[in-house]
Amino acid sequence: NAGVTQTPKFQVLKTGQSMTLQCAQDMNHEYMSWYRQDPGMGLRLIHYSVGAGITDQGEVPNGYNVSRSTTEDFPLRLLSAAPSQTSVYFCASSESLAGGYDEQFFGPGTRLTVL
Amino acid sequence: KQEVTQIPAALSVPEGENLVLNCSFTDSAIYNLQWFRQDPGKGLTSLLLIQSSQREQTSGRLNASLDKSSGRSTLYIAASQPGDSATYLCAVYSGGGADGLTFGKGTHLIIQP
Repeated sequence: NAGVTQTPKFQVLKTGQSMTLQCAQDMNHEYMSWYRQDPGMGLRLIHYSVGAGITDQGEVPNGYNVSRSTTEDFPLRLLSAAPSQTSVYFCASSESLAGGYDEQFFGPGTRLTVL
Repeated sequence: KQEVTQIPAALSVPEGENLVLNCSFTDSAIYNLQWFRQDPGKGLTSLLLIQSSQREQTSGRLNASLDKSSGRSTLYIAASQPGDSATYLCAVYSGGGADGLTFGKGTHLIIQP
């Protein structure tokens, strides 16, 4: 049971480039989400999904797209990277959002630098 | 809007001491509270999850309490060890998927050998 996995671990982009951060979980969790962690800001929710085919915006969605074609995978796309997107990105999953009773599990993170 | 505060921001104690980390939140209408550990350059490891109906949870040397009415939680670490050195994050879930978890900024803990 690998839990939540993320690739790549590190990435350097130039302004304007695009890329996809991959996230996968093998726990059959319905709920998946993306956070970014910035110094002095804590973790903030970017996008989330309550199940395959369903996604919605979190607190800081601008500049990011997501899709959820399968239960296992929840990729995060940066269409045109900006220096303000330099951050550490974490993917998380939990069994469901029902009542908010479920423990959330986090991946190891992707450290992104945009030059 | 929910806000989570963690005090102190940093703490350094000798090995073997018992210690308490504090977490406070502004809106008491939460579903649960979760404590995480984050090692430098690593992801978040879940330590304890307390549901809103619970008062405390224990795991090994860790004990987390929740006083929802006063908007407070504490993480008690018994007999601290150098391996406990990490940043400890508190997060609350207040309902509504768009909000996700609201995190504090963490307490950076150093246990001196």
